[in-house]
Amino acid sequence: DAGVIQSPRHEVTEMGQEVTLRCKPISGHDYLFWYRQTMMRGLELLIYFNNNVPIDDSGMPEDRFSAKMPNASFSTLKIQPSEPRDSAVYFCASSLGQAGSPLHFGNGTRLTVT
Amino acid sequence: AQKVTQAQTEISVVEKEDVTLDCVYETRDTTYYLFWYKQPPSGELVFLIRRNSFDEQNEISGRYSWNFQKSTSSFNFTITASQVVDSAVYFCALSEAGNNAGNMLTFGGGTRLMVKP
Repeated sequence: DAGVIQSPRHEVTEMGQEVTLRCKPISGHDYLFWYRQTMMRGLELLIYFNNNVPIDDSGMPEDRFSAKMPNASFSTLKIQPSEPRDSAVYFCASSLGQAGSPLHFGNGTRLTVT
Repeated sequence: AQKVTQAQTEISVVEKEDVTLDCVYETRDTTYYLFWYKQPPSGELVFLIRRNSFDEQNEISGRYSWNFQKSTSSFNFTITASQVVDSAVYFCALSEAGNNAGNMLTFGGGTRLMVKP
């Protein structure tokens, strides 16, 4: 079975540009998560969805960040406009609905904003 | 609020040494789950193990073993006879079953393990 698929693997953009990160979760998983990893803050949850509905977006840093899940097999994380401090590795993960199910992570998107 | 602490930022050992990675957690829930993930230099996050709060039995998988002690809120990870391929950052994480938390994970800061030949 394919794991969580993220694209692109690397993204380099200039400050002020719009960035869209994409994620395809594992088929049959009910939950989808977006995490960000930086040296300063470690792994932090940005937002998660249950059955395509956003449940908790309290980790989204600013209004410049938005996430959507139009169907069970696709999610996007958009940053508009991007800033250098957004540079990080962004991970998407998915899990089954059962409590305690482990999260399965994609390979991440390394975003660099210059 | 939940919290996971990995006090060891970085550990360096020589191959074949045993090494223990510490993890201490805080939660108000009586039902919760603890996890360990491995992040090798290639960057992906790999799930290693999950324990639930009602099962304090230690677990062994090959060279890996885990010691869960509720009395000290700890979930430590030991690698026996370490190998160079064990070099990675290891994350301990917690998810709470209550408060409609879903399966969201709170991660510790990670411990970078370097195994030298």
